[in-house]
Order: sequence, then C-alpha cells, then structure tokens
Amino acid sequence: DTAVSQTPKYLVTQMGNDKSIKCEQNLGHDTMYWYKQDSKKFLKIMFSYNNKELIINETVPNRFSPKSPDKAHLNLHINSLELGDSAVYFCASSQGRGHGQPQHFGDGTRLSIL
Amino acid sequence: DQQVKQNSPSLSVQEGRISILNCDYTNSMFDYFLWYKKYPAEGPTFLISISSIKDKNEDGRFTVFLNKSAKHLSLHIVPSQPGDSAVYFCAASAGGADGLTFGKGTHLIIQP
Repeated sequence: DTAVSQTPKYLVTQMGNDKSIKCEQNLGHDTMYWYKQDSKKFLKIMFSYNNKELIINETVPNRFSPKSPDKAHLNLHINSLELGDSAVYFCASSQGRGHGQPQHFGDGTRLSIL
Repeated sequence: DQQVKQNSPSLSVQEGRISILNCDYTNSMFDYFLWYKKYPAEGPTFLISISSIKDKNEDGRFTVFLNKSAKHLSLHIVPSQPGDSAVYFCAASAGGADGLTFGKGTHLIIQP
C-alpha cells in the first residue's frame, strides 16, 4: 500500500490555466506538506497543514492555495499558471510538528508549463 | 541563501568500501538533522536522523556524525552496496518549525 500518493504523476498544461494536484496519506499522520523542487534541484517547503490549519506559507505566490478536506488529504490548487511554475511538486506527511519528525514523501508530480 | 550545503554534487565509491557524504549548515537554530535517499522518479525516503544534542547516531550500515562547533555533519555507509546508488539529501529542522530545509543533494554512485 502506498503511504503518500499524489495524482497526477505528470501534468502538462498551458500558461494561464488553473490546475490541481491531489495528495492522500494513509499513515494516520496529522501534518501534511507541499514542497517544490525546481530546476536547480532544491527542495523547498511551500506549505504545511496541521489539524487542517495552515501553519507555514513560505512566501509562495497567492496563486497557489492548499486545500485540506480532511486530515488525510492536502490538495494543491494553482491558478493562472506561469512558466516559472514548471517543477516537481512533492507532498509529504509526518506525525507531529517539527522536532525531527521524519517526513514521508510521495513520488512527486512533474508539472510542465508550455 | 543556502542554509544547508552539500558541496559534492557526486561521489563514486567501490562496492564494499565506505561512502562518506558531507553536509554543512549555517543556521544555529537547527536542532535536528535528517538524511534522505532518493531514486529517480520517486520521492525522498527517510534514512536516519540526529538531534543537535548528540554527536553520533547509528542504524545498521548507516551512521551520522554531527560536529556542532564546525556546523558539519556526515553520513557514513559501510559497506557500500549497489542499491545504495541514489541521490542523498541532507535536511535540517529548526525548533517547532515544520518544514525541512534541504541541501542540493549528492549523487552517490557505487561501482562494482
């Protein structure tokens, strides 16, 4: 059973479109995250949710909005896509906040903007 | 502003020998350090972590060493196996913050 699953795995779309990436975890964790891995291969935190409350937003443009319908899901909505949004987006989850709690990652969604 | 640095983009080691991956950091507020392993087209997988109050943590073939005064940590893999070929990321967390700060990764290649 996949612990953290993301869909779709690949997403190719045109500039200006709106798209969503879904993430689900079956680990019973209470905190979920979104990371972006850009062309330089850096993994950077975008958001985290704990008990359905947003607790980090690392200066991400407001075109990006995380939505959590329940503790097991954290979806990422992106409006008015731009060329610079092309990247691999990873969802992750952990039990508890900080203090070295290991985060479990999905396999990523590769977003390509034409 | 890179707070976690992995200065070796790649490392080649013979099978059976020791692999040593290095990581430097600048933020004194980091209190936990983690190593992740990543295969192509997959997400990072947690390997081992260490608290800033310790200087060594061991788990099977993997040992992480922390030198807090030098703001340096290293991951030792011994003996190295072909399945260890992957990209290794060093990551750090600060206090109650939730997001991890990652280095750029080191591509480890185990040669037969």
